[in-house]
Amino acid sequence: AQSVTQLDSHVSVSEGTPVLLRCNYSSSYSPSLFWYVQHPNKGLQLLLKYTSAATLVKGINGFEAEFKKSETSFHLTKPSAHMSDAAEYFCVVSAFALYGNKLVFGAGTILRVKS
Amino acid sequence: DGGITQSPKYLFRKEGQNVTLSCEQNLNHDAMYWYRQDPGQGLRLIYYSQIVNDFQKGDIAEGYSVSREKKESFPLTVTSAQKNPTAFYLCASSVQGPLNTEAFFGQGTRLTVV
Repeated sequence: AQSVTQLDSHVSVSEGTPVLLRCNYSSSYSPSLFWYVQHPNKGLQLLLKYTSAATLVKGINGFEAEFKKSETSFHLTKPSAHMSDAAEYFCVVSAFALYGNKLVFGAGTILRVKS
Repeated sequence: DGGITQSPKYLFRKEGQNVTLSCEQNLNHDAMYWYRQDPGQGLRLIYYSQIVNDFQKGDIAEGYSVSREKKESFPLTVTSAQKNPTAFYLCASSVQGPLNTEAFFGQGTRLTVV
């Protein structure tokens, strides 16, 4: 079965400093992995996805993530945080299901950006 | 504009009452999903549908029901059997098929039991 563990429930950074949101996954086959962002009381927006091409994936708003098979990790990074980055972030793995594919979500990491 | 529309944005339910949440998409996607979001628990799958007139239970289907009579629509009914319905509900859709297909989300409906 596929699963996702987000290692930090809350991360706090100062504006202009790097962001690191950690994600480990478990999958019995080569996974597809995603990062989504959610602002308060809003839907989810796709930041980036890994689909077995390049291991370093670039997304929107300056975010990127590196797929490391040996560490079963897919950490999200950004060189310099902006106030607008404050939101909740979800790491997601795509999973086979009997009747079509499903997305399995991590518990989320709330990012706080201090001025 | 293509996208997913959920309505209403806020919904209040009295105990013992059924309520229906609307989800409409104009992306021509075959697959549609309902998720429930509670603080600190991520998103949990309630029901999903890969094609019209077919749907499958997700991880927490008890107390919920759905229908898929049209490709564009996937309404969710929260029944009186759902003992703790207060939550944020998200509808999503995707192109059916490969594992690398991302889902597109609506803006959510916040349901509160009063």
